[in-house]
Amino acid sequence: AQSVTQLDSQVPVFEEAPVELRCNYSSSVSVYLFWYVQYPNQGLQLLLKYLSGSTLVESINGFEAEFNKSQTSFHLRKPSVHISDTAEYFCAVRMGPEGGSEKLVFGKGTKLTVNP
Amino acid sequence: ETGVTQSPTHLIKTRGQQVTLRCSSQSGHNTVSWYQQALGQGPQFIFQYYREEENGRGNFPPRFSGLQFPNYSSELNVNALELDDSALYLCAVSYRLAGGPGTQYFGPGTRLTVL
Repeated sequence: AQSVTQLDSQVPVFEEAPVELRCNYSSSVSVYLFWYVQYPNQGLQLLLKYLSGSTLVESINGFEAEFNKSQTSFHLRKPSVHISDTAEYFCAVRMGPEGGSEKLVFGKGTKLTVNP
Repeated sequence: ETGVTQSPTHLIKTRGQQVTLRCSSQSGHNTVSWYQQALGQGPQFIFQYYREEENGRGNFPPRFSGLQFPNYSSELNVNALELDDSALYLCAVSYRLAGGPGTQYFGPGTRLTVL
C-alpha cells in the first residue's frame, strides 16, 4: 500500500527566507507525485506535479520540487517566501500507469506560516 | 480553472440523519472522486466514479454511497450519520485518458457538522 509522510506538521519562517517542506512516500510501483496548497476555509489547489521526465518541476509562483526516486522523496522548496504563501501544503501520491484507480493518497499536511 | 462547484457550503445534521452533497464542474471531466478531510488531517479517499460507475473505493463503510450522472455531476450520500462524519468533504474532477494520469482538480468543499 502507498503512504505519504510529511515530516513537519508546522513550519514557521520569516518573510523572504528560504523554505523546504519535506515529503517522503512509500510505494512498490511507479508513482505520480503532487503538491496541493489549501488556504483557510478553501479547497485544495494544485501547486505542481511530477508525472515523468525531468525530476525538477516548478510552479508559476516560485515553488519547485524535485523527485528523488532513490530516496523516495518529493520535497517542496521556495528560495524566498512571501506573507501570502501562508497556507497548508499537502503532498500526494498516486499509482503510475500500472494502476487502475486515480486514487490520491495524501500526507497529513504541513502548515507554513510566514511572519513579517 | 475548472469551475468545480460544491453544494451546500455548510451543513449541520444530527446523528442518524442522512445527507446528500453535490458536485459539478463546467468542463467535461469524466471522472469524479470524493474525499473526506477531518480537522487537522489530510484528505482521505472515499471513492471514485468513471462514466457513471464506481471505480475504486477507500476504507469507508457502505453507508457512504455515490452517483455520477450523464452530465458528469455527482452526489455523495451518507446514511445514518455519526459524530465522526463531521468533516470537510471534497470532490475532485479529472479527465481520464488511456494510460495517462488524470490530474485532479478540487472543489471548495462542503463542511458537514454532525451534532
